[in-house]
Amino acid sequence: QQQVKQSPQSLIVQKGGISIINCAYENTAFDYFPWYQQFPGKGPALLIAIRPDVSEKKEGRFTISFNKSAKQFSLHIMDSQPGDSATYFCAASKRGGVGAQKLVFGQGTRLTINP
Amino acid sequence: ETGVTQSPTHLIKTRGQQVTLRCSSQSGHNTVSWYQQALGQGPQFIFQYYREEENGRGNFPPRFSGLQFPNYSSELNVNALELDDSALYLCASSSGTSSYEQYFGPGTRLTVT
Repeated sequence: QQQVKQSPQSLIVQKGGISIINCAYENTAFDYFPWYQQFPGKGPALLIAIRPDVSEKKEGRFTISFNKSAKQFSLHIMDSQPGDSATYFCAASKRGGVGAQKLVFGQGTRLTINP
Repeated sequence: ETGVTQSPTHLIKTRGQQVTLRCSSQSGHNTVSWYQQALGQGPQFIFQYYREEENGRGNFPPRFSGLQFPNYSSELNVNALELDDSALYLCASSSGTSSYEQYFGPGTRLTVT
């Protein structure tokens, strides 16, 4: 019930291409789905997030697509750049109550953008 | 606005010892959560503190304990260290249990030998 499954484990994309990372969740109580970007030796940085009342959210080159019925969401990085090379984590949480905001993370995707 | 800070950056301890890690939350944030990130894995929730009280705990044994102070900074204490406790320990702050966004600090890298 608490799992978030992320794929692929690693991804290599050419500069200028589209990077796509997918996640699936089980707990229908989740109502917040963020993506974090983490560089080696650093803490995760909040990249973009979505709530289940919308199907898509776009911020610059980053887009989240959300499919509530399938319990799936994905991150699209358009015009991928070498500086986007990092590990990306999807996560899920619910607001309010004991343990609110407990983020449940996926396993991570190591993204490499080749120049 | 000051971001989340953690100290120390790195720490090496021996099995059986005790360790205290520290976190200062982002300005205006009263909620701190702690996570353990093993190498190559996603962060795992340890516990959360809201207004100096524990507000939820993950699947970690009681030798993992914490505190939150009136200025909302926080400590994570781990007793009887085991080799498997070697990980990056992250704290994240947010502006209360009714908000969503959590912002992470740079982490403390703990190595247990």
